[in-house]
This record gives sequence, C-alpha cells and structure tokens, in this order.
Amino acid sequence: EVQLVESGGALVQSGGSLRLSCAASGFTVTSNYMIWVRQAPGKGPEWLSVLYTGGSTYYADSVKGRFTISRDNSKNSLYLQMNSLRAEDTAMYYCASRSGRFGRAFDIWGQGTMVTVSS
Amino acid sequence: QSALTQPPSASGSPGQSVTISCTGTSSDIGGYNYVSWYQHHPGKAPKLLIYEVTKRPSGVSDRFSGSKSGNSASLTVSGLQADDEADYYCSSYAGSHNWMFGGGTKLAVL
Repeated sequence: EVQLVESGGALVQSGGSLRLSCAASGFTVTSNYMIWVRQAPGKGPEWLSVLYTGGSTYYADSVKGRFTISRDNSKNSLYLQMNSLRAEDTAMYYCASRSGRFGRAFDIWGQGTMVTVSS
Repeated sequence: QSALTQPPSASGSPGQSVTISCTGTSSDIGGYNYVSWYQHHPGKAPKLLIYEVTKRPSGVSDRFSGSKSGNSASLTVSGLQADDEADYYCSSYAGSHNWMFGGGTKLAVL
C-alpha cells in the first residue's frame, strides 16, 4: 500500500528546533518529488518546501533559512529540520508526494503531525 | 504571496449541486493549467480530486468536476452525498518552484 506517515511533531519553545520525519511505503522517496505543507489552525494549507528527485530543494520565503528539507534513501524517508521556531510556525505539518501520474498535483499525502511553538 | 481565495463555507442538500470558487492571479491560476483540488476529512490524509484543472484520477467519482476561467477556478460537486461533507482546497503551481493553496471551503450537506 502506498502511504506516507509523518512523525516528530511536539510542543517546543520559541527559538527551539525540531525535526519532522515522513516515512514512505509502497514507493521510494527518490522516485517522486516530495513536499512539506503546513496548515495553521483555522487557515488553509501553506506550501513550505519541495525536494526534487535530482536533489534540488526550494523553500517558501516564510521558512527560507530556517527550515531544511532532506531525505534518507536507506530509510525511505523525508525530513524537515526546523530551526529558530516561532509561534507562527504552530501548525499541522503534512508531507506529500507527486507520483507524476497527475501532472504537478500531489497524489499521496500523510495524515500530518502537529507542531506547537510556545512563546 | 497571498493564498488563493475560496469562500469559507458552502452548503447544499443531498442530490443538489454546489460549486466552490478559487480565485488567484495571472501568476498562478491564470498562468498555468496546473490547478488541483483536494478533499480533506479532518484527521485523514487529503485526497486528490482534480488535477490539471479538469482531470480526475481513476477512482474519483465523476460527480466531481473542475473548470477554469482566467484567474479563477471552480470545483463542482453534483449529486451531493453525506460523505461529501469535508474541507475542500484548491491549489495551483505558481512558478519558480512554488505552489499556492486556497484558504479552504467547508462543505456542509444539509
């Protein structure tokens, strides 16, 4: 079964760091391009970062310089290292994958992991 | 960049049709035919309903359809069913390796 499972969400103090993980099954993270998206309470999703199959990475301005996307092929997992966390980073964080069968849409999603940043 | 604009809520009775709008700019919706729509039941993984404006993945009901005109896109849900009650999000590629999402529309089936 094709699926993504996020983990690592927690309550953390402002200025702290956290690393989120996204374990893939049923496909390899190197074969699809992967993104992180977050959804703050009561708001719509916000795209954060993309990791292409070739290894290139891009970030939204809101997290550039603070967050780093990466993958571990041996663990078939995607990661998001989050540093200098702020209260406004409080959100549910989702990883998603584009299999390539549906244009630039993301057809595989996880259920999310919650990050709460206390000030 | 601001999020794509969606109405916060929509509703309809079982069997009726409802259309959810999504307004962007010429830099996102208007500039690319990469509009997609997602259905999200809280606590579950979001589900891809529509991609490339009008296309449906296999397994998605043909009661869901998408369209686009200029800088706006729409999702129509026909023959409303109780299970359609969920949050719906539009998304568009916005160039320069960026994606935009809408603020979401909560659909109620009355």
